[in-house]
Amino acid sequence: DAKTTQPTSMDCAEGRAANLPCNHSTISGNEYVYWYRQIHSQGPQYIIHGLKNNETNEMASLIITEDRKSSTLILPHATLRDTAVYYCIAHGSSNTGKLIFGQGTTLQVKP
Amino acid sequence: KAGVTQTPRYLIKTRGQQVTLSCSPISGHRSVSWYQQTPGQGLQFLFEYFSETQRNKGNFPGRFSGRQFSNSRSEMNVSTLELGDSALYLCASSLGQGTGTQYFGPGTRLLVL
Repeated sequence: DAKTTQPTSMDCAEGRAANLPCNHSTISGNEYVYWYRQIHSQGPQYIIHGLKNNETNEMASLIITEDRKSSTLILPHATLRDTAVYYCIAHGSSNTGKLIFGQGTTLQVKP
Repeated sequence: KAGVTQTPRYLIKTRGQQVTLSCSPISGHRSVSWYQQTPGQGLQFLFEYFSETQRNKGNFPGRFSGRQFSNSRSEMNVSTLELGDSALYLCASSLGQGTGTQYFGPGTRLLVL
């Protein structure tokens, strides 16, 4: 699976949109972009995934650039409970369930 | 639906002992993956089970093993515990094999003294 690069940390004001970037310049055609988050001392939580089209669900939106080399996870109205480590993962539609977690982005939502 | 459950939630062992951790996946999910999380190494893949067979294995020594039962429940075992095995052990379940959409349990926190 392709390597992803994320900023180490970001701050966001409560109620504002949080935009978390991810670079995956070596992503291959069959690899999806997945986002997970991990709130302190809990198991990671699946947020959203996409291949090349933008995706939206009740938690977030995922914007993937046309060349698929980068993406942005958007939390439209961040709350204090969104403070967590956010992981961007490129995962191919192969026969392995192995997810490769990087260091992620620590998002701090401030009041 | 109930989420992924892991037991026990906390465990303290001493070096040289062995430990067995249990994971019950979401009902209907047939794949279970295990991960180890430490402050130094982050989240690392241990192994994946589907239909009672180990499908993939991470880069861990043979002291780490697992199995899956016919009801998809899974156990992992660590023998001859070392101090460095202290970690949060996470189990994740998914509908099918190889999917990136996985649902994690709360983890078992193991402390080796």
